[in-house]
Amino acid sequence: EVQLAESGGGLVKPGGSLRLSCETSGFNLNDAWMSWARHTPGRGLEWVGRINRKTDGGTTDYAAPVKGRFTISRDESRLILQMNNLKTEDSGVYYCTTVGVATINGLDNWGQGTLVTVSS
Amino acid sequence: DIQMTQSPPSLSASLGDRVIITCRASQSISDFLNWYQLKSGKAPKLLVYAASSLQRGVPSRFSASGSGTDFTLTISSLEPEDSAIYYCQQSYSVPWTFGQGTQVDIK
Repeated sequence: EVQLAESGGGLVKPGGSLRLSCETSGFNLNDAWMSWARHTPGRGLEWVGRINRKTDGGTTDYAAPVKGRFTISRDESRLILQMNNLKTEDSGVYYCTTVGVATINGLDNWGQGTLVTVSS
Repeated sequence: DIQMTQSPPSLSASLGDRVIITCRASQSISDFLNWYQLKSGKAPKLLVYAASSLQRGVPSRFSASGSGTDFTLTISSLEPEDSAIYYCQQSYSVPWTFGQGTQVDIK
């Protein structure tokens, strides 16, 4: 069974950094396409970025609002989201997801999320 | 970037009603369209992928259709547990984008 568990959220000042971690189990993280998404009451669900399988080069893509500030990587069984130069509009619940091959890029498994609050 | 526009932004319907949510893409996305359900305090859930394929375990009262730029999600007979926000999302090209969401409430 696929399990995803995010951690690392919290309160940070604008301009600060946070490192979110998603502990994975039930599948080989290196063989999976993975994604991060976030939810805010004001803007709804937003896609943050993705990382391809290691055999596909492990390349990454990002949404425009976070490009150059956020970095997705793998660390053994953990998916990492490094967030730098945080802005108030980055506040929200952050989810890691699997990107399904069978579901034609549908985000088919989600963690419970971790709350990020960017405020002075 | 591909813009996704959902309508209506919210709706209120009675138990047993048929509910239809629409999603329009700013350019053709073939059938790379997914639907999600978000309930308060819970992780989002994939309901439909590839425009019309129901994810495992999703009740058959949910159905979806469309291709190109216009898509619909239908709940044939509204149940209490269907109260949620529904989002469409295109996975045709990065950056992947979501619609603004449709809040479904029970009258």
